[in-house]
Amino acid sequence: DVKVTQSSRYLVKRTGEKVFLECVQDMDHENMFWYRQDPGLGLRLIYFSYDVKMKEKGDIPEGYSVSREKKERFSLILESASTNQTSMYLCASSGAVTDTQYFGPGTRLTVL
Amino acid sequence: AQSVTQLDSHVSVSEGTPVLLRCNYSSSYSPSLFWYVQHPNKGLQLLLKYTSAATLVKGINGFEAEFKKSETSFHLTKPSAHMSDAAEYFCVVRGNTGTASKLTFGTGTRLQVTL
Repeated sequence: DVKVTQSSRYLVKRTGEKVFLECVQDMDHENMFWYRQDPGLGLRLIYFSYDVKMKEKGDIPEGYSVSREKKERFSLILESASTNQTSMYLCASSGAVTDTQYFGPGTRLTVL
Repeated sequence: AQSVTQLDSHVSVSEGTPVLLRCNYSSSYSPSLFWYVQHPNKGLQLLLKYTSAATLVKGINGFEAEFKKSETSFHLTKPSAHMSDAAEYFCVVRGNTGTASKLTFGTGTRLQVTL
C-alpha cells in the first residue's frame, strides 16, 4: 500500500514564525502536491513538484514556498506565518503514469 | 480550464436508503473524473475514477458513478446507505493536458446518515 506521512497532525504557531511542514512518501512517486483545505472551499493546490528540485505554482502559492531535495520528501514552508494561513494542509503523491493521487492524513495548522 | 460543481453541500439520508451525490463538470478535453471520500480526521481516499473506458464505474464500499457526457455529470450513487458512509465526498476532475496530473476539486458534499 502507498503510504504518505506528514510530520505533524496538529501544529500551533505564532504570527511571523517560519513554519515547515514535511511530507514523505514511500512509493517512489515522481509527483508530489501540497493542498490546503478550508470549509466550503474544498481543496486548493498550493504547489506541486514533478521531479526532484522541480516545482510549479498551483492556484494559491502566495505566502508559501516548497522544497524537494529528495524524491520521497516534499516540504511546504511558510516564511512568515499569518493568521489567514490557519488551515488543514494535505500532502499527496502520484506516479508518473497514473493520475491517482494518494493523500496523507493532513496537518491542522493554527496560527495565533 | 476544468472545473467541477457539487450541487449539494449537505445531504442527509436514512440508513438503508439510496444515496445520490451530484456533480457536474466542465472541461475542454475528455476528462478524467474521480470521487474521493474523507472520513473525520482522516486523509482523502479514492472511491472510484473514470478514465474514458466504461461509463458506469464501480468503486469501493458499494459506490458507483455514471459518466454522462450529454449532461456533463458524474453523480455518485449507492443503493443502500450505511452509518459508516457518513463522511465528506469530493468530486474531482483532471484535464488531459499539462504535467503532474493536476486535479481540480469540488467544494465537497457532507453526507449524514441517520438511523
